[in-house]
Amino acid sequence: EIQLQESGPGLVKPSQSLSLTCSVTGYTITSGYDWSWIRKFPGNKMEWMGYISNSGSTNYNPSLKIRISITRDTSKNQFFLQLNSVTTEDTATYYCASTTVVTDYFDYWGQGVMVTVSS
Amino acid sequence: DTVLTQSPALAVSPGERVSISCRASEGVNSYMHWYQQKPGQQPKLLIYKASNLASGVPARFSGSGSGTDFTLTIDPVEADDTATYFCQQSWNDPYTFGAGTKLELK
Repeated sequence: EIQLQESGPGLVKPSQSLSLTCSVTGYTITSGYDWSWIRKFPGNKMEWMGYISNSGSTNYNPSLKIRISITRDTSKNQFFLQLNSVTTEDTATYYCASTTVVTDYFDYWGQGVMVTVSS
Repeated sequence: DTVLTQSPALAVSPGERVSISCRASEGVNSYMHWYQQKPGQQPKLLIYKASNLASGVPARFSGSGSGTDFTLTIDPVEADDTATYFCQQSWNDPYTFGAGTKLELK
């Protein structure tokens, strides 16, 4: 079974960069899924941030396009999120998820990591 | 962006039938998906492409709709169904989620 696990710092200072790792087991990230980052804000709003495809191309939410980068390390079967110039409004729980190609729903999710942006 | 509108909360008794609605601000074909999230847990896929039951999901859950109006139905509701239910569309870029419907049991 596919399993995903997020890791990274739980506290980031404003204006700095947020960096998270998603480790995938049970499936090779160069195979048939794309791989997304999704966040859930306090108050329940959820936002799809972007994905890296199984071939390594990316698709980002335009609202984040100038601040976001999703990359991968195929040798470690991991993919990464970097979000630059964070503000307190980036405080959220961040999830990584497998994303079906073409239909683009999220069928396997990590447990999520809470990230607080605060000085 | 495509806005998905859900009613904020519903309360039902165990054994009843409940329908949770999701209305899109523009057409999404059948590319609407439903998730269940319990406190402290990650979202769980229930229904994909409007009406397809995800693997391992009880047949008490069903989905319907196309275009702009979609419904998730639970029949009968069980105590374990207490959760927040989100819809998500993937027809229009960027993919968007509804604000969630909190289901409480009486």
